[in-house]
Amino acid sequence: TQLLEQSPQFLSIQEGENLTVYCNSSSVFSSLQWYRQEPGEGPVLLVTVVTGGEVKKLKRLTFQFGDARKDSSLHITAAQPGDTGLYLCAGAAMNTGFQKLVFGTGTRLLVSP
Amino acid sequence: DAGITQSPRHKVTETGTPVTLRCHQTENHRYMYWYRQDPGHGLRLIHYSYGVKDTDKGEVSDGYSVSRSKTEDFLLTLESATSSQTSVYFCAISDPLGQPQHFGDGTRLSIL
Repeated sequence: TQLLEQSPQFLSIQEGENLTVYCNSSSVFSSLQWYRQEPGEGPVLLVTVVTGGEVKKLKRLTFQFGDARKDSSLHITAAQPGDTGLYLCAGAAMNTGFQKLVFGTGTRLLVSP
Repeated sequence: DAGITQSPRHKVTETGTPVTLRCHQTENHRYMYWYRQDPGHGLRLIHYSYGVKDTDKGEVSDGYSVSRSKTEDFLLTLESATSSQTSVYFCAISDPLGQPQHFGDGTRLSIL
């Protein structure tokens, strides 16, 4: 069974601070996705990274896929209260005919004004 | 939002009763998925479908069955609900390439 571990599990910070969330596995993934989930709603896709070492930026969010495609990080610069939510990483298993995602346990972020 | 509707959004029922959750999509996507989300476990795949009448098990399929008689509808059935099946259930859809998966807003199921 492929596992994805996220750290930290919880993060409470002040507006304007920077933070990094990590997603680690011993398995190799063909791609990795990051989702954000708000209370009472389903996860919403933020980004997909495919190539080892790939870096993608989405405004103040920077996503990186590890060179070996086993890990990923999400860095938020100058966090805002609107960034509050549950962040989930999900890896797509190698050699599957379609996308079977393995989800991490999530990082719950609270950004206070 | 991708056109995904889950029903009901909330349900409370008793142990031993049958329960059916419905996922309806308007995107004509081939792949549909059922997940459950529990604290400390993230999202875990229950069953998925890769076409009408084509379904397969995920990692936590025991106690659940599914059916897909039309492209747009994917049903999840708990034949005899147990308290361990109390959870939030999410449906997701994707295109043939599998990326990305779009999620519904979930069904909160409580089994007393």
